[in-house]
Amino acid sequence: GQQVMQIPQYQHVQEGEDFTTYCNSSTTLSNIQWYKQRPGGHPVFLIQLVKSGEVKKQKRLTFQFGEAKKNSSLHITATQTTDVGTYFCAGNSGAGSYQLTFGKGTKLSVIP
Amino acid sequence: EPEVTQTPSHQVTQMGQEVILRCVPISNHLYFYWYRQILGQKVEFLVSFYNNEISEKSEIFDDQFSVERPDGSNFTLKIRSTKLEDSAMYFCASSLRLVNTEAFFGQGTRLTVV
Repeated sequence: GQQVMQIPQYQHVQEGEDFTTYCNSSTTLSNIQWYKQRPGGHPVFLIQLVKSGEVKKQKRLTFQFGEAKKNSSLHITATQTTDVGTYFCAGNSGAGSYQLTFGKGTKLSVIP
Repeated sequence: EPEVTQTPSHQVTQMGQEVILRCVPISNHLYFYWYRQILGQKVEFLVSFYNNEISEKSEIFDDQFSVERPDGSNFTLKIRSTKLEDSAMYFCASSLRLVNTEAFFGQGTRLTVV
């Protein structure tokens, strides 16, 4: 079945430093979504990428979808303490399946 | 802002007992999902539901699980005979469309099987 790998598992950064998490799928994806989960909270949708090579920005967050639609990244510029949480990528392979396959997530800690 | 609501927030049950987890999806959404997250692990798909029937399910969703939309607003997940390994956070989600659309997650029900 489809697998989505995500690295790193944990990332500790000093406030103001940049942060990147990477996601890699074993199969070509129809789309990829990114979610943020605060400690004790639920996944909250951040963005969806559909097109090959797509890049989207949300303020300090930059999302990329690879040309082959098998990998993706989330980059946060100048982290803030409010960025703390676990960031999950979730892929959908299409081909009649609509379930989201989540990566294991990257837990971000920001040291003030 | 519309949201998915889940009850209860925490459920403790004895092994072998039946539990029903309840969800009220966003009112104009048509597609409903259950996911689970074992503590500290990734979110795992269980089942999707549309037009009063299961549209897709994972291998986790075996015969002990069932879903139902008993009325126009509620969406339930029933676990017939709970096992210790069923302990997890169960998230309900809904979406407006099936394809290329965000899923809105509820706050979750933490199920503890003792």
